Amino acid sequence: GAGVSQSPSNKVTEKGKDVELRCDPISGHTALYWYRQRLGQGLEFLIYFQGNSAPDKSGLPSDRFSAERTGESVSTLTIQRTQQEDSAVYLCASSSVPSGRAGTGELFFGEGSRLTVL
Amino acid sequence: AQSVTQLGSHVSVSEGALVLLRCNYSSSVPPYLFWYVQYPNQGLQLLLKYTSAATLVKGINGFEAEFKKSETSFHLTKPSAHMSDAAEYFCAVRHFTGANSKLTFGKGITLSVRP
Repeated sequence: GAGVSQSPSNKVTEKGKDVELRCDPISGHTALYWYRQRLGQGLEFLIYFQGNSAPDKSGLPSDRFSAERTGESVSTLTIQRTQQEDSAVYLCASSSVPSGRAGTGELFFGEGSRLTVL
Repeated sequence: AQSVTQLGSHVSVSEGALVLLRCNYSSSVPPYLFWYVQYPNQGLQLLLKYTSAATLVKGINGFEAEFKKSETSFHLTKPSAHMSDAAEYFCAVRHFTGANSKLTFGKGITLSVRP
């Protein structure tokens, strides 16, 4: 598609339920990022996929959070046993930058998935 | 480790006044630096970027930023604020570690524009 697509745009769930958030990056973009933005806060890095390299999971806040990416296409962020503090907007971004400094590294963001845990 | 610092969380200016949003970075290698803007209820979009070419970078909507290595700064400016500039502004640094290339964001600054 023309831009990064995220679904659902809004999700309300009950505490303890599992949720899946989907990101469809721009076609051909090798890098994909997930960030979390809590109300009134900055962007918190969660996880980064780059081509066939092992993902950088250093930002995942707990083992309830996991993410997968199939090749260079869709990614799914899964939150198990959701807690109220998981309520946030989850932003996905993709980039065409290759490994190393050859690319300028602009990230293209989706509009986010707003998660509310009751 | 590379990082960016955005001092303060909120800046308020009058319409027509100068906008100055500060960003300082720390990096062990020459960085790539970015400013992103987030309008209410929207995703982030790129305002401008520095990638080791010209130190004064011009972006969209009349914004510009100057890379100053001696001050490790990349402050964002606009000569005359417009009501439509009210948004959240994020400074970011890209760092390269082996095969990885991660973008790290500052905490963001909310810009309010008074009539």
